[in-house]
Amino acid sequence: SQQGEEDPQALSIQEGENATMNCSYKTSINNLQWYRQNSGRGLVHLILIRSNEREKHSGRLRVTLDTSKKSSSLLITASRAADTASYFCATDAALDSNYQLIWGAGTKLIIKP
Amino acid sequence: DGGITQSPKYLFRKEGQNVTLSCEQNLNHDAMYWYRQDPGQGLRLIYYSQIVNDFQKGDIAEGYSVSREKKESFPLTVTSAQKNPTAFYLCASRSTGDTDTQYFGPGTRLTVL
Repeated sequence: SQQGEEDPQALSIQEGENATMNCSYKTSINNLQWYRQNSGRGLVHLILIRSNEREKHSGRLRVTLDTSKKSSSLLITASRAADTASYFCATDAALDSNYQLIWGAGTKLIIKP
Repeated sequence: DGGITQSPKYLFRKEGQNVTLSCEQNLNHDAMYWYRQDPGQGLRLIYYSQIVNDFQKGDIAEGYSVSREKKESFPLTVTSAQKNPTAFYLCASRSTGDTDTQYFGPGTRLTVL
């Protein structure tokens, strides 16, 4: 079942600009993760933010989490052509002992040179 | 793609045939997962296994079967009962440590002719 929804579905920006993607979810969570998928490839883990955290940074990535609104955002600063990919958020249900991740449909990001 | 391999990369199947997709990991992870991804969509869970000789159905298990005889291996069989098997199949594994990060293989693209 998919509880995450990314917004926008697609985003096209100029190289050097910042890219912001949003994710909303439905149930209480332990943590939220963001993954990147290059076309036709597997997913790569980018960053994990726990439910008791509000903001986290990793290089050019900044993730925020608002548990009251059940939403998260991923900001990529100073975008590069290599950032062109699809980005997915994934959540784990807080009461799920099976540790399944629930995936959104993804945001397709295109960085124009 | 970490220490997870999937083979083959591309697979063509005639209608009515069973095919088996391979997934091997050398990360010493206990948990392994199979996902299906359709164009422009997120990931849907087919089967998962948290320990050797045990596995559970995910959201779309019908028409698929798995086995987990070894910790390193989690093969997926797409049977003739799966009516629409053409898709991109992703295998992932997870450490049972304190994070829920999943590590993905490069995927297998299955096409039914």
